Amino acid sequence: EADIYQTPRYLVIGTGKKITLECSQTMGHDKMYWYQQDPGMELHLIHYSYGVNSTEKGDLSSESTVSRIRTEHFPLTLESARPSHTSQYLCASSVNRVDNYGYTFGSGTRLTVV
Amino acid sequence: AQSVTQPDIHITVSEGASLELRCNYSYGATPYLFWYVQSPGQGLQLLLKYFSGDTLVQGIKGFEAEFKRSQSSFNLRKPSVHWSDAAEYFCAVGAGSARQLTFGSGTQLTVLP
Repeated sequence: EADIYQTPRYLVIGTGKKITLECSQTMGHDKMYWYQQDPGMELHLIHYSYGVNSTEKGDLSSESTVSRIRTEHFPLTLESARPSHTSQYLCASSVNRVDNYGYTFGSGTRLTVV
Repeated sequence: AQSVTQPDIHITVSEGASLELRCNYSYGATPYLFWYVQSPGQGLQLLLKYFSGDTLVQGIKGFEAEFKRSQSSFNLRKPSVHWSDAAEYFCAVGAGSARQLTFGSGTQLTVLP
């Protein structure tokens, strides 16, 4: 049973709208990540955080922003959605241990901007 | 920087047949290696991981993978595939002090009845 939750699962929204994708985990993991995944494509890291008040941009340029005010919460915000933002967004978390790490993923949010 | 290559975009096997999904990585030192599975509309689930020690790793759902340093490979295997194994499979490598994962482009598995 996953201990990382993403809401909403599906979202269809009009161009220009502001949206926030929610991600919460109950495992106390320090590290959290946002990936963007187009259908049949690889995952691209867009944001990550190593702890509260720590956020970094990932490999793929993104117009989204993130915040990490609480350990368990890592929301992603698009100030003005565009059709090019249509994709699946996956949130993940991991422990900060060199000898045992691996990501736990949420179920994803599939975003469609019309 | 590390990278991962999954040469097979799509593989089709019959139920009951054996399966091998290929994964090659690029990294200068010993990497941390992972296999994840993604069912349609879902997130990724960890199948197995290799950090050190025995190069043959057992995972969930009857999967195993073998780390071969000389070939820079970490291929996933299953002796007898079930229809429920149809999904997308991702190989990933984690390396460096940041321990971020880099994912391959995935292999889509179709299982014929």
